[in-house]
Amino acid sequence: RKEVEQDPGPFNVPEGATVAFNCTYSNSASQSFFWYRQDCRKEPKLLMSVYSSGNEDGRFTAQLNRASQYISLLIRDSKLSDSATYLCVAYSGNTGKLIFGQGTTLQVKP
Amino acid sequence: DAEITQSPRHKITETGRQVTLACHQTWNHNNMFWYRQDLGHGLRLIHYSYGVHDTNKGEVSDGYSVSRSNTEDLPLTLESAASSQTSVYFCASSESSRGAFFGQGTRLTVV
Repeated sequence: RKEVEQDPGPFNVPEGATVAFNCTYSNSASQSFFWYRQDCRKEPKLLMSVYSSGNEDGRFTAQLNRASQYISLLIRDSKLSDSATYLCVAYSGNTGKLIFGQGTTLQVKP
Repeated sequence: DAEITQSPRHKITETGRQVTLACHQTWNHNNMFWYRQDLGHGLRLIHYSYGVHDTNKGEVSDGYSVSRSNTEDLPLTLESAASSQTSVYFCASSESSRGAFFGQGTRLTVV
């Protein structure tokens, strides 16, 4: 079993739709979590950190459920420019490693 | 502005040759990572370092080595390049529990 798992998709949604991605992690010692965005095999870029209380950045909302070892990313009012691969990441303070999920591909269509 | 740079951006090499990919960061981060990315596998950790003279193996370390002689650099060496090592390689750096910053990647082709 992979340490961080995501549904690879692709998710095909129309502009303006709300879409949610889920991610599960297996290492209960993981301390911090992030969502990254990656375009066309370019370098991944940090989208947002994920806090236990949930956090929002514009149209993006991230949530963490430590009991279920589950992370989510919600995108509201999808734009064409949101089309990308979204990577879920877990950081373990014990090992200092950043472990990436396989990524979920989003395609927003006009 | 602080940054992380990789070189070369593209490289073609022959099977059996030794290849070194450079990674240089000016964030003054202690943690540095090397990943490879292939279709169907996502980002897989090759090696990582917590600081000078520290190196650790990741999940796909066979055939690769790293050294950390200073804070800024973590070069990745392929001892004897194989076609299975054709991939896109990303270097990243981070500080503690904050998110990592990535270099632009190196596309390596082994023929």
